[in-house]
Amino acid sequence: DAKTTQPTSMDCAEGRAANLPCNHSTISGNEYVYWYRQIHSQGPQYIIHGLKNNETNEMASLIITEDRKSSTLILPHATLRDTAVYYCIVRGNDYKLSFGAGTTVTVRA
Amino acid sequence: DVKVTQSSRYLVKRTGEKVFLECVQDMDHENMFWYRQDPGLGLRLIYFSYDVKMKEKGDIPEGYSVSREKKERFSLILESASTNQTSMYLCASSRSHGRLYGYTFGSGTRLTVV
Repeated sequence: DAKTTQPTSMDCAEGRAANLPCNHSTISGNEYVYWYRQIHSQGPQYIIHGLKNNETNEMASLIITEDRKSSTLILPHATLRDTAVYYCIVRGNDYKLSFGAGTTVTVRA
Repeated sequence: DVKVTQSSRYLVKRTGEKVFLECVQDMDHENMFWYRQDPGLGLRLIYFSYDVKMKEKGDIPEGYSVSREKKERFSLILESASTNQTSMYLCASSRSHGRLYGYTFGSGTRLTVV
């Protein structure tokens, strides 16, 4: 599976959009981009995934660049409950998900 | 609400004990996984199962075994618990064509071996 690079941490103001970048320059054609988050002392929670088209669900939007070498997770109106570690994962045919260190997002009032 | 349930939230065991961590899912998922999470090391895959009675080793299977006798239940067994197995243990499940679906995780079991 391709490796990903994310910033270690970022802050966001409550009510504003949070844009979380992820680089995956070695991604191959059949690999999906997944985003998960983990709130303190809980199990990771699935947010969204995509292959090459932009995706949106009730939690977030995923924007994937045309060359697929990077993506951005957008939380449109961040709340204090969105404070968590966010993981960007690239996954191919393998069963397993490989989690990196993720981005610690702190939403401030 | 669909869920993955882990039997214990917190567990304290003695060195050398045989420890069973239980995980049950109600989504009829084919795949089930056990991860452990440690500060600075992230989540590491211990074992996974893609069908009843089937299992495959993950990245760190040493000191662990698993059992999947029923589709909904996946057990992690520490044959002889050691202090370096003190960790947060996370169970997850997914559909068979898992690449197209996300994983659903349980809330975790924080195991302390003393």
